[in-house]
Amino acid sequence: EPEVTQTPSHQVTQMGQEVILRCVPISNHLYFYWYRQILGQKVEFLVSFYNNEISEKSEIFDDQFSVERPDGSNFTLKIRSTKLEDSAMYFCASSENEGQGLFGQPQHFGDGTRLSIL
Amino acid sequence: SQQGEEDPQALSIQEGENATMNCSYKTSINNLQWYRQNSGRGLVHLILIRSNEREKHSGRLRVTLDTSKKSSSLLITASRAADTASYFCATDAYVSNDYKLSFGAGTTVTVRA
Repeated sequence: EPEVTQTPSHQVTQMGQEVILRCVPISNHLYFYWYRQILGQKVEFLVSFYNNEISEKSEIFDDQFSVERPDGSNFTLKIRSTKLEDSAMYFCASSENEGQGLFGQPQHFGDGTRLSIL
Repeated sequence: SQQGEEDPQALSIQEGENATMNCSYKTSINNLQWYRQNSGRGLVHLILIRSNEREKHSGRLRVTLDTSKKSSSLLITASRAADTASYFCATDAYVSNDYKLSFGAGTTVTVRA
């Protein structure tokens, strides 16, 4: 069964450094998402992406965050200047059609990247 | 907050027993989804139930939705050790001019052999 893959599985970064988290969504999916889960807390929506642009974003997704689909297979999340509070699991997800809204479809999640900021 | 809230927070049952967990939410939804998360892994989609549906089945899973009470339940029948995981409900709603999926804090289910 096709899977969403994320790399690396664990990233350790010094505070203030830039970090890029990578995801390969399922190949025929058109909608892409990033979520984060701080240890012991709820999974939180960050951003959704369709047709090479952001379609929705949460209040968490501030100017420090950006997303990109640099080629036909990868989907990346960049945090420009990391803070201690960015430490979390980051999940990428994809859906064949729109995963939210009136005709929402299931989203398929990767296993996440654990980001640790020192 | 639109996010669903699961109840109970934790559940421990014997293999073969049924497990029931509930989810409550606050505003109108398009659909409600249940996901499973095994320790250290991503979320696995289980069932999506739309706002005009009342009940849905998938294998040993049964989901109900009561939009008048703004609540849903997930029943796992004849539980197995492999069902040990955290279970999350996620509500899909139009909130603050955006559609987004909002997750609850989850129910941790432990199935004892």
